[in-house]
Amino acid sequence: NAGVTQTPKFRVLKTGQSMTLLCAQDMNHEYMYWYRQDPGMGLRLIHYSVGEGTTAKGEVPDGYNVSRLKKQNFLLGLESAAPSQTSVYFCASRLAGVQETQYFGPGTRLLVL
Amino acid sequence: GNSVTQMEGPVTLSEEAFLTINCTYTATGYPSLFWYVQYPGEGLQLLLKATKADDKGSNKGFEATYRKETTSFHLEKGSVQVSDSAVYFCALSALNYGGATNKLIFGTGTLLAVQP
Repeated sequence: NAGVTQTPKFRVLKTGQSMTLLCAQDMNHEYMYWYRQDPGMGLRLIHYSVGEGTTAKGEVPDGYNVSRLKKQNFLLGLESAAPSQTSVYFCASRLAGVQETQYFGPGTRLLVL
Repeated sequence: GNSVTQMEGPVTLSEEAFLTINCTYTATGYPSLFWYVQYPGEGLQLLLKATKADDKGSNKGFEATYRKETTSFHLEKGSVQVSDSAVYFCALSALNYGGATNKLIFGTGTLLAVQP
């Protein structure tokens, strides 16, 4: 049971390039989330999904797209990277119950030059 | 709206000292409250949680009590160790009425550094 895994661990992009971050969970969780972590700002929700084939916007969705084609995977895409998207990205997942805990992946560190 | 305010760090303590990290919240309804810990280079791990007023969450010697009257959830530990050095996040999860999910609202995090 690997829990929540994220690929890649670290990436450097040039402004305007695109990339996809992959989050995978093997706990059969219904809900999945993408956050970004920036110094002094805690974690902010980018997008989330309450089930296969569904996605919704969080606090800071601009410049990102997501897809949840399979229950175990949640993809975060950057179509045209900007330096403001330099951050550490965390994926999380949880069961659907009201009091269920979110479980986090190890993070992806992204640097946009 | 919902928000979490926690004390700014860094908090620097000597081993075996008493720890308090303050956390207060603003929320409509009846949120659940959490403390997450992030060790260097890792993701966040749930440390403890409380789901209703006067509940006490505890784990690994850490405790926090859900105080509705003061809207607080302060983290405490009686004797810290070097291995407790990490960033601690307070968070709340408020039911999104009519919506489909509980979203976590995080504080900005408090860095704890414990010196031997």
